Amino acid sequence: GQNIDQPTEMTATEGAIVQINCTYQTSGFNGLFWYQQHAGEAPTFLSYNVLDGLEEKGRFSSFLSRSKGYSYLLLKELQMKDSASYLCAVRGTGAGSYQLTFGKGTKLSVIP
Amino acid sequence: EAGVAQSPRYKIIEKRQSVAFWCNPISGHATLYWYQQILGQGPKLLIQFQNNGVVDDSQLPKDRFSAERLKGVDSTLKIQPAKLEDSAVYLCASSALAGGETQYFGPGTRLLVL
Repeated sequence: GQNIDQPTEMTATEGAIVQINCTYQTSGFNGLFWYQQHAGEAPTFLSYNVLDGLEEKGRFSSFLSRSKGYSYLLLKELQMKDSASYLCAVRGTGAGSYQLTFGKGTKLSVIP
Repeated sequence: EAGVAQSPRYKIIEKRQSVAFWCNPISGHATLYWYQQILGQGPKLLIQFQNNGVVDDSQLPKDRFSAERLKGVDSTLKIQPAKLEDSAVYLCASSALAGGETQYFGPGTRLLVL
């Protein structure tokens, strides 16, 4: 099975940098995803890591360490519109190899 | 490119009633997923289809939930009879077959069972 942990809530200031951590214990690993979900809306894809290291995409970066079962999402130059929940999801292996198991999400509040 | 479509967007029913949700995935996407997202939680996979076949339905409460994707395109998820704890957002997602691991989500159906 999969167990995914991430902080429940975080608050950060507009223009600042915030790091959202995710740790996981899995019986099989085939990639880690980050999704953004605004209140009342569907999750939207942010990033995907399958190898160790940092993936950068504009203001957002995601890091993965498979040996430590650890990932983080880094948001730079925070904007008010970044206030949302950020979901960490691990893709497993096996017959349902594209299955994602989601964490409970981290609710980020960006304040002026 | 049109996204994943779902209907209805909202539904309110009384316990023990039946309800059905519809999903139309992104054109050409062979894999379709139904998730249940309870308030304050991450989405939980209910069932995964590959074309018109079920890949995994291990977390689907089969005594009351059913789903089908008869022609390998759109899909319906049904709850019969509904319980209070079924109140949640039901999300449909799709992904392409050939290396398209990213799942794209529809807007969801928000269900309230009274």
